[in-house]
Amino acid sequence: ETGVTQTPRHLVMGMTNKKSLKCEQHLGHNAMYWYKQSAKKPLELMFVYSLEERVENNSVPSRFSPECPNSSHLFLHLHTLQPEDSALYLCASSQDLGDGETQYFGPGTRLLVL
Amino acid sequence: GQQVMQIPQYQHVQEGEDFTTYCNSSTTLSNIQWYKQRPGGHPVFLIQLVKSGEVKKQKRLTFQFGEAKKNSSLHITATQTTDVGTYFCAGLEENQGGKLIFGQGTELSVKP
Repeated sequence: ETGVTQTPRHLVMGMTNKKSLKCEQHLGHNAMYWYKQSAKKPLELMFVYSLEERVENNSVPSRFSPECPNSSHLFLHLHTLQPEDSALYLCASSQDLGDGETQYFGPGTRLLVL
Repeated sequence: GQQVMQIPQYQHVQEGEDFTTYCNSSTTLSNIQWYKQRPGGHPVFLIQLVKSGEVKKQKRLTFQFGEAKKNSSLHITATQTTDVGTYFCAGLEENQGGKLIFGQGTELSVKP
């Protein structure tokens, strides 16, 4: 148990659906991250939040919309996704946003877009 | 932009053989981290290296950070079936804050 939980663990959605992924960290960390992990590709950083403010947006399509209501919770709202968005979405947290902070990962949400 | 390359992409070994994965960055790193992801699991932090030429050991795992701080390696001595998984390195470019760039990982399979 890493102290970072994600729900749901698996999600199947159609291209016209709207869904949300939830991440919660119980570690008292100030920074949270969304990553996308596709088969045979490196981890792709999507969004970074520090103290509930977005500090990084790696040219992610607008059909992915993050929300960080407080330092313990992070959401990823999904709307009109494409089949190529099927992947494992990982949430991570670190104590602070800074040089070499260790990131602790949640178990991920495996998303399939039909 | 910064790139972090890992080789090999796949490695199949017999139990008891050694295994090494290499990580190379196009730019100098302020630190490098290693993660392990078991099949069906999520990445788990293993170690962080910060100093030039640093060597750290965890039981059968030996981690090295190159003198130029642009490459790193993870060596496993006498692999066991529990070592199966994908090993990722992640580097932080000097003078950049907070964003780690992950290598594509080396997938290790161990035949009993």
